[in-house]
Amino acid sequence: GQNIDQPTEMTATEGAIVQINCTYQTSGFNGLFWYQQHAGEAPTFLSYNVLDGLEEKGRFSSFLSRSKGYSYLLLKELQMKDSASYLCAVRDRVKAAGNKLTFGGGTRVLVKP
Amino acid sequence: KAGVTQTPRYLIKTRGQQVTLSCSPISGHRSVSWYQQTPGQGLQFLFEYFSETQRNKGNFPGRFSGRQFSNSRSEMNVSTLELGDSALYLCASSSVPGKDEQFFGPGTRLTVL
Repeated sequence: GQNIDQPTEMTATEGAIVQINCTYQTSGFNGLFWYQQHAGEAPTFLSYNVLDGLEEKGRFSSFLSRSKGYSYLLLKELQMKDSASYLCAVRDRVKAAGNKLTFGGGTRVLVKP
Repeated sequence: KAGVTQTPRYLIKTRGQQVTLSCSPISGHRSVSWYQQTPGQGLQFLFEYFSETQRNKGNFPGRFSGRQFSNSRSEMNVSTLELGDSALYLCASSSVPGKDEQFFGPGTRLTVL
């Protein structure tokens, strides 16, 4: 099974940078996902890491270290619309190579003016 | 390309009733996964379907079931509804299992009275 930890809440100022950490313990690993979820809405895909290193997509970057069971999501040039929950999820390496994702509890980010 | 669609968007049922939810994946996607999201438990994996076969199953009672049709559309059914089944039910699609990103639909908000 999987155990995923991420901070419950973070506050940052508009224009700043925020780093959301995610640690996981897994019996099998086949990729790590980050999703953004605004209140009352469905999660929106942000990034996917399966190999170690940094993936950059505009203002958002995601990093993975498989040996440390660690990932982070970096949000740069924060905007008010970035206020949301950010979900870290790990995909199991199951025998059938499926898509079972185990999610962390989410980190609520509040961006202040 | 249209995204994942789910119907209905909102549903109110009473205890003991049953409910069927529908999900149409992104065109060309053949893997459909279902998740339950509640404030207390977060996002939890229900099951995954690919090529009309259930490939993975989460830790939910047998009252939760699903199926997939030849056009990749999927349905999930919950029988003998309980108050604790009130949740946002999310469907996610990907092209094939275990290889790439999953994209979520808008969800069905189920309220059990």
